Amino acid sequence: DAKTTQPNSMESNEEEPVHLPCNHSTISGTDYIHWYRQLPSQGPEYVIHGLTSNVNNRMASLAIAEDRKSSTLILHRATLRDAAVYYCILRDIGTASKLTFGTGTRLQVTL
Amino acid sequence: DTGVSQNPRHKITKRGQNVTFRCDPISEHNRLYWYRQTLGQGPEFLTYFQNEAQLEKSRLLSDRFSAERPKGSFSTLEIQRTEQGDSAMYLCASSLGLAGGIDEQFFGPGTRLTVL
Repeated sequence: DAKTTQPNSMESNEEEPVHLPCNHSTISGTDYIHWYRQLPSQGPEYVIHGLTSNVNNRMASLAIAEDRKSSTLILHRATLRDAAVYYCILRDIGTASKLTFGTGTRLQVTL
Repeated sequence: DTGVSQNPRHKITKRGQNVTFRCDPISEHNRLYWYRQTLGQGPEFLTYFQNEAQLEKSRLLSDRFSAERPKGSFSTLEIQRTEQGDSAMYLCASSLGLAGGIDEQFFGPGTRLTVL
């Protein structure tokens, strides 16, 4: 599986936008970029995914670099409930099985 | 509540004992996954089922671990002769099994195992 690199931790103030980066320089043309997050004491939950174009949903936006070697998860207005570990994961278009998690980015949100 | 459920939520056992965990997936989901998570690490894949067939097992799944999904519904994960290194959160997830790398997995709350 292609590898992703994320900062260990980030901090944000409540009500401000947060940009969580992910590098995936060895991404293949058939890899989707997925983001999951894990709130304290809970299982991970899906956030968003994309292939080439930027994506928006009710939770977040995903901005994908033109060369696809990096992406950024954008939380438009962070709240205390967004404090979690965010995982950037690559998934091959031809397989729909396991998720390969790294150590993710721990996001702290403060008042 | 139609989410993924896991039982028990917590299990404390003595080294050498056998333990069994249960996962009830979302009812229409064909795929069921087991992951293990230790403190400070992301979840690690253990195994997954397509209906009742176990299609992939990680090298992490030693001979002491066995998983079943009879009738393609709930699943059980059994650990025999537990060791202190088995202490972890065991997470179950389910999905529709969509093709194309877009299959969203829904996770349960996990079972926390402590081996004394």
